[in-house]
Amino acid sequence: EIVLTQSPGSLSLSPGERATLSCRASQSIAGSYLAWYQQKPGQAPRLLIYGASSRATGIPDRFSGSGSGTDFTFTISRLEPEDFAVYYCQQYGSTPPTFGQGTKVEIK
Amino acid sequence: QVQLQESGPRLVKPSETLSVTCTVSGDSISTKYWSWIRQPAGKGLEWIGRVHGSDNTIYNPSLKSRVTMSVDTSKNQFSLRLNSVTAADTAVYYCARGGGGSYYEYWGQGTLVTVSS
Repeated sequence: EIVLTQSPGSLSLSPGERATLSCRASQSIAGSYLAWYQQKPGQAPRLLIYGASSRATGIPDRFSGSGSGTDFTFTISRLEPEDFAVYYCQQYGSTPPTFGQGTKVEIK
Repeated sequence: QVQLQESGPRLVKPSETLSVTCTVSGDSISTKYWSWIRQPAGKGLEWIGRVHGSDNTIYNPSLKSRVTMSVDTSKNQFSLRLNSVTAADTAVYYCARGGGGSYYEYWGQGTLVTVSS
């Protein structure tokens, strides 16, 4: 199975700052089939990005994704107070689909 | 809109079988793929497997020997059974729309299942 490694494990930033998260795959992900999710305590994950760079329905444009092959990046251009959460990447190019271990974006 | 809701016992004894059901509204399960995903407290997400409305299944190899998934199209529900559970199976269990080759746009709110005597 494909192992996804996210970095950093946590990020301490202030509202208004830019957040850049990385997701590296143990092998190339077919079709750039990579998604990003946001999860807040006690809630299910929320889909933000699919196909490495396509925003899901209703997702603000401050969230963006890029990358291909084994290296992917997720960016929040200007952090809003509601953006502090844990973010997961997920590959669905091969079965079983797998998730990264998460990056926690904390308020500085 | 599409909504998913998990239900089932919250406490299961070691060596017994965990059972969770997902009721879907706003969509028909008959023609789509549906997955189970779990998350131990404070940890990441693990895909357990998926079932199609036709009852075709694919399981994660790591759990394949203990997992059974099924659908009940008359009730628009799908179910997960995990046998021979241990404390390591304690987790929040989520149902979601999508198969093994999919992202997951719709999720249930999750149900915490604890394995303990």
